[in-house]
Amino acid sequence: DAGVTQSPTHLIKTRGQQVTLRCSPKSGHDTVSWYQQALGQGPQFIFQYYEEEERQRGNFPDRFSGHQFPNYSSELNVNALLLGDSALYLCASSSISGTPLYNEQFFGPGTRLTVL
Amino acid sequence: GQQVMQIPQYQHVQEGEDFTTYCNSSTTLSNIQWYKQRPGGHPVFLIQLVKSGEVKKQKRLTFQFGEAKKNSSLHITATQTTDVGTYFCAGRTSASKIIFGSGTRLSIRP
Repeated sequence: DAGVTQSPTHLIKTRGQQVTLRCSPKSGHDTVSWYQQALGQGPQFIFQYYEEEERQRGNFPDRFSGHQFPNYSSELNVNALLLGDSALYLCASSSISGTPLYNEQFFGPGTRLTVL
Repeated sequence: GQQVMQIPQYQHVQEGEDFTTYCNSSTTLSNIQWYKQRPGGHPVFLIQLVKSGEVKKQKRLTFQFGEAKKNSSLHITATQTTDVGTYFCAGRTSASKIIFGSGTRLSIRP
């Protein structure tokens, strides 16, 4: 049973470019959340997808967008990259069909994005 | 905005000593989760606390959720070198958003 997978592992972009990161959730999970983790900081919630729709969003600008596909996999797109977007981007999957308050998240290994 | 503060930022202990990290939320939480992240790794779920005043134990780890559901702690008894890493709390707000604390990085002298 594969856990959460993310691609690519590392990515280097320049300012102004656009990037797409990909995530496949753990088998049996239907919800995907994306986080940005700057060096030495805790993960910051970007947004969550369920049933191919954005259900929750953190305090991130519209340059950050996403998509969820019918097979529950997800993409994170970032436009007009800034130096400050350099971070580890983590995908976490969970199952919304569990009890309302229990939502254990399984994190993927992350994509390390460097913006030059 | 809603915040989850976590202290201390760093803790360096002798192997065998105890370790505690604390989280405080600016608002009441629905639940709180704890994660461990090894250097170069990703967060790994440890536990979730839901009820006011709840205490849960996992071997040498003891987790507590405050009566007001605004604070929580993780205590490790008799640390071992395998405990090295950064421990994060993550509070779930009434709006179902998850807010991570900034983490406590634990290092251990053998």
